[in-house]
Amino acid sequence: NAGVTQTPKFQVLKTGQSMTLQCAQDMNHEYMSWYRQDPGMGLRLIHYSVGAGITDQGEVPNGYNVSRSTTEDFPLRLLSAAPSQTSVYFCASSYRLAGGPSSYEQYFGPGTRLTVT
Amino acid sequence: GENVEQHPSTLSVQEGDSAVIKCTYSDSASNYFPWYKQELGKGPQLIIDIRSNVGEKKDQRIAVTLNKTAKHFSLHITETQPEDSAVYFCAAPPPGRRALTFGSGTRLQVQP
Repeated sequence: NAGVTQTPKFQVLKTGQSMTLQCAQDMNHEYMSWYRQDPGMGLRLIHYSVGAGITDQGEVPNGYNVSRSTTEDFPLRLLSAAPSQTSVYFCASSYRLAGGPSSYEQYFGPGTRLTVT
Repeated sequence: GENVEQHPSTLSVQEGDSAVIKCTYSDSASNYFPWYKQELGKGPQLIIDIRSNVGEKKDQRIAVTLNKTAKHFSLHITETQPEDSAVYFCAAPPPGRRALTFGSGTRLQVQP
């Protein structure tokens, strides 16, 4: 299994450009999420999905769109890039552990480092 | 939603000493508390987790303790080694979301 893969690893955008960050997992996990990581702020949830065709917003969804047409793929779209979106983006997939409704073990991809100038 | 606070933000120890990182959470309904280790240039990786029905879990040199009454949990690393140097994150599930809320991270440096 490749686990969670993300492309590209690095990207530089100009303000106003749009792009899609790709994420795929081959573990047949039901749940997928996107986080951004900024210095001193940990990881913050952007969007998540509980299955194909179902997505919902996280803590910081503004400026980002997602869709989930298959179990394997969960792309993140930046509609009009802004310098405030300079960050490292991580995709994660998860499955529900036995023992409670909120036990989700997350597997992370290697990340995409995005710079917006 | 869930609020997770983590401290300290940086921690420097001598090789062989113990390290302790502490987190508090706000949602009393939370029942799953993982710890992740992030090495430079990589994604976070789960190192240990605990469910709310136990107070302590141990895996070789690492352990996690949970105090549900006080709503805090801690990561303990004994006999630290240089390869333990990394950023560590605690997390807890936000209510109604199939994801995690993370603490702000602790940069651990183990001095040889």
